[in-house]
Amino acid sequence: LAKTTQPISMDSYEGQEVNITCSHNNIATNDYITWYQQFPSQGPRFIIQGYKTKVTNEVASLFIPADRKSSTLSLPRVSLSDTAVYYCLVAPNQAGTALIFGKGTTLSVSS
Amino acid sequence: DAGVTQSPTHLIKTRGQQVTLRCSPKSGHDTVSWYQQALGQGPQFIFQYYEEEERQRGNFPDRFSGHQFPNYSSELNVNALLLGDSALYLCASSLAQRGLAGGRVKNIQYFGAGTRLSVL
Repeated sequence: LAKTTQPISMDSYEGQEVNITCSHNNIATNDYITWYQQFPSQGPRFIIQGYKTKVTNEVASLFIPADRKSSTLSLPRVSLSDTAVYYCLVAPNQAGTALIFGKGTTLSVSS
Repeated sequence: DAGVTQSPTHLIKTRGQQVTLRCSPKSGHDTVSWYQQALGQGPQFIFQYYEEEERQRGNFPDRFSGHQFPNYSSELNVNALLLGDSALYLCASSLAQRGLAGGRVKNIQYFGAGTRLSVL
């Protein structure tokens, strides 16, 4: 499974846009990029998934360049409740494939 | 529509004891995966059950075992507990079957809130 690299931590203020970049240089052709969010003492929550270009949902946007060696999770106008750990995962899009988590990026949002 | 539910929420055991954790998957899901999350770390894959059989296994010793029932619910058993087994244990459910149109179902797993196990 492809290894991912993302910043350990990021700080932001309420109302700002936050972009978290993840590197996955060895991504395979059949790999998809998925982001999860985790609050303390809770399980990870699926945010967004994509294969190439741009994906947007009600929570976030995911930007993937043509070479797919990196991806950027964009959170528009963050609030205090967006303070959490964000994980970038790369895995084949086969249902049930084991997810390999790194340490994630701890986002701290201040007022 | 109930999400993934785990029980108990917290558990305290002593070294050498055995523990059983339980998980009910999201409605309509047939695959259950278990993860261990130590403090400050990302979740680590333990194993996965589908059709009542262990389908994949991570790098965990045989002290960790599991079971899946016909209703897709699952149990995680840990024998001879060690202090290092203290962690948050997460259950995730997903759907292994293809969609009605024959398209590939996305590999999205839905997690429960976890069971916090403390070994003293």
